[in-house]
Amino acid sequence: AQTVTQSQPEMSVQEAETVTLSCTYDTSESDYYLFWYKQPPSRQMILVIRQEAYKQQNATENRFSVNFQKAAKSFSLKISDSQLGDAAMYFCAYRGFSSGSARQLTFGSGTQLTVLP
Amino acid sequence: NAGVTQTPKFQVLKTGQSMTLQCAQDMNHNSMYWYRQDPGMGLRLIYYSASEGTTDKGEVPNGYNVSRLNKREFSLRLESAAPSQTSVYFCASSEAGVIGGYTFGSGTRLTVV
Repeated sequence: AQTVTQSQPEMSVQEAETVTLSCTYDTSESDYYLFWYKQPPSRQMILVIRQEAYKQQNATENRFSVNFQKAAKSFSLKISDSQLGDAAMYFCAYRGFSSGSARQLTFGSGTQLTVLP
Repeated sequence: NAGVTQTPKFQVLKTGQSMTLQCAQDMNHNSMYWYRQDPGMGLRLIYYSASEGTTDKGEVPNGYNVSRLNKREFSLRLESAAPSQTSVYFCASSEAGVIGGYTFGSGTRLTVV
């Protein structure tokens, strides 16, 4: 079974600064997808960014980018120019192909990000 | 707006009571899921339905049952609620074969006293 580990329960960053959230995963699959989800106090789960394992290029979405190290099974999220609205719980998630057509997501335990004004 | 609708948003139950959480999606997705979220544990899969007419257990199925009523609706039932089932429950859907993550409902906060 796949596992996803987020070793930083809490992180803080000054507004306008850069912060990196860590995520590692364990899998025996060669093809899979990785995701970062944001959960603000509203409880809504919002997709931030995704990475296909077969792509060597790191995904980027505006101020959000990832550092995907397939051999190390590491998938960190970098938030540049942090804004107050970035404050939220962030979840790393894995989705493989061996779970059949359902392809369920496996989540890490989350990192609570605080943005300091 | 298209998406996943969960009801209710909040619920308080007494130990031993039963209830059903409702979920409906209008995106014609094949797959639907129920997760629970507990502090420090992320989201854990309770049950999922790969397609209409099929359901399978996830990581934490004990104490729950599900029904895939049709392609749109996937309900989660607690037959005899226990305090350990106090949690936030999320329903989600996705199109099989399309890797775009999930579309989530807004969650149900359930408290069992």
